[in-house]
Amino acid sequence: SQQGEEDPQALSIQEGENATMNCSYKTSINNLQWYRQNSGRGLVHLILIRSNEREKHSGRLRVTLDTSKKSSSLLITASRAADTASYFCATPDYNKLIFGAGTRLAVHP
Amino acid sequence: KAGVTQTPRYLIKTRGQQVTLSCSPISGHRSVSWYQQTPGQGLQFLFEYFSETQRNKGNFPGRFSGRQFSNSRSEMNVSTLELGDSALYLCASSLTPGLAGGPDTQYFGPGTRLTVL
Repeated sequence: SQQGEEDPQALSIQEGENATMNCSYKTSINNLQWYRQNSGRGLVHLILIRSNEREKHSGRLRVTLDTSKKSSSLLITASRAADTASYFCATPDYNKLIFGAGTRLAVHP
Repeated sequence: KAGVTQTPRYLIKTRGQQVTLSCSPISGHRSVSWYQQTPGQGLQFLFEYFSETQRNKGNFPGRFSGRQFSNSRSEMNVSTLELGDSALYLCASSLTPGLAGGPDTQYFGPGTRLTVL
């Protein structure tokens, strides 16, 4: 079963614009993670935010976590064509990760 | 450090055959997980190994099996292949053993693309 659900399913923007993706989950979590996947390749870990954190930054990425609403958002600022990929949120369940369906982001030059 | 490696990268099999996929984790990582990714079902957890022991298995039939060796390398096997087994199979390793709070960062390999004809 999928714990995290991303919204929107697809997002198309121009280079330089910001992209915001949202993730909702169902149960209490210890942390929430975001991954990126370029077409048909492996997943790359972007950022991990723990349940006692509200916001975290990494370069052009900003992640927020609202445990009361069981939701998280990933903001990519000043997007580039190279950011074109699918983005997944993942929540841990004992010794495995449960992934959402992902958001497909297309950044046009 | 070298990343997670998976072999082979691409595989074409026919229905009824069996297949073995291999994964070498990052040096020092003892937890290895396998995931199946399909367009319809997304990313689904197959199983996880730690210190040669399978600790958790996802909701897959018994045709899917795996093992882990003493050097932490892992293999997964799918017997009696079906068309629906066509997928990208991803292996991930992590440093922390995945306690009750769940795993920290998992590092993924490039995947093995399996096509069943």
